[in-house]
Order: sequence, then structure tokens, then C-alpha cells
Amino acid sequence: AQKITQTQPGMFVQEKEAVTLDCTYDTSDPSYGLFWYKQPSSGEMIFLIYQGSYDQQNATEGRYSLNFQKARKSANLVISASQLGDSAMYFCAMREGRVGSARQLTFGSGTQLTVLP
Amino acid sequence: EPEVTQTPSHQVTQMGQEVILRCVPISNHLYFYWYRQILGQKVEFLVSFYNNEISEKSEIFDDQFSVERPDGSNFTLKIRSTKLEDSAMYFCASSEGTTGNTIYFGEGSWLTVV
Repeated sequence: AQKITQTQPGMFVQEKEAVTLDCTYDTSDPSYGLFWYKQPSSGEMIFLIYQGSYDQQNATEGRYSLNFQKARKSANLVISASQLGDSAMYFCAMREGRVGSARQLTFGSGTQLTVLP
Repeated sequence: EPEVTQTPSHQVTQMGQEVILRCVPISNHLYFYWYRQILGQKVEFLVSFYNNEISEKSEIFDDQFSVERPDGSNFTLKIRSTKLEDSAMYFCASSEGTTGNTIYFGEGSWLTVV
């Protein structure tokens, strides 16, 4: 079974609108972390936001928020007030195991977001 | 803001040649990683490194790959005898580990094997 599933290969959003990028995960480890990264066409991987499995509150970082629904095993990224510069590939990733371990990240297949003017 | 730096940004090499990709992780970070991304595909884990030894490695990380931390700042990935299928973007990453939850990636090194 896939550990990280991103079901939207491509998404379009109008500038200044909000958009939700879906991510579901599969793990039996009670300790895990969920990450979102942005990869523009230039190729670098930019960290956006992190949610720990024991975190009570949904993570927020500026215009990014993570809609964490533990029972559903989903960790959707919400981008508010989209900007043209948000056009990029977005990856959801999971690290199983406690913080401080060198456990690997498992990535989803990504969602290509295009912001329309 | 501190960042992970990688060199070279792009390298073209002949099949069978050795390649060394270099990384300078963020200075107070304890955990280091290499990932790769074949064009148009998922990012795949290669290896993690902690306390001067490999912590985890994937099936991809076979005998042709090795990692080293030759001094206090650099972290290198060596591919001994490159194959065409090694063509990919290679990302170095680091994390603080003890209190930090964030794993920061470098800008990547594009390797093209011809």
C-alpha cells in the first residue's frame, strides 16, 4: 500500500483564491510527522509546513495551513490568497518514528498547482 | 537564513565514471540525508547519516554508492561507476533532530549520465 497518496496530479486556482491540496497517509506507527514541500520549476525543494502526530492544533505558517484529520489519516495543505508565485509542484511527505530519529521521508507523487491570473 | 548548499548544481558525466556530489548541511544539524528524483518521478530516499555512520539506507543505495563526512562541514555522496539510470536530481537534506522537526533540502545537483 502507498504510504502517501496525493490524488490530484494537477490543480488550477484563480489568483487570490484559496486552494486545498489533498494528502492521505498510511502508517501504524503512533509517532509520525507530516511535511509539505514546494518544488518550483527551478527544481529546489522548499519546506512549507510540518505537523506532528501528537500536535493538538493544526499547523499554520503564513498563508499555509495544514488541515490535519488524524482519524481520516489526512493532512491537506490549504493555501490562502493564492499568488502567481505559488505555481509549483507540491509534495506531501511523512516521516515515521519519533522526532530526533534519522528516519527517512516518504514522498507522495505530488500535485502540480497552477495559479491563474 | 541558514541553508543547505550543494555543489555542483549540474554535472554531466560519462557512463562508468565516478561522481562526487557535495553538500554543506546547516551547521548545527545532526542528521543528514541524500534523496534523488528521477525526472518526472517521486522523490526517493537513498540514505541517512548520523553520528558519523549510516543510519538507514534504501534498496537503491547499493554498493556503487557511498557517503562520507570528510570534515566537520561537508557531506558527500559518491557514485562509483555511473549508469544511465543514475541520471536524476540528487538532494541533500539535513535536520536538527533533537528539537527541530524540519528537514531542510538543498537546491539539488542535477546529474546527467551520457
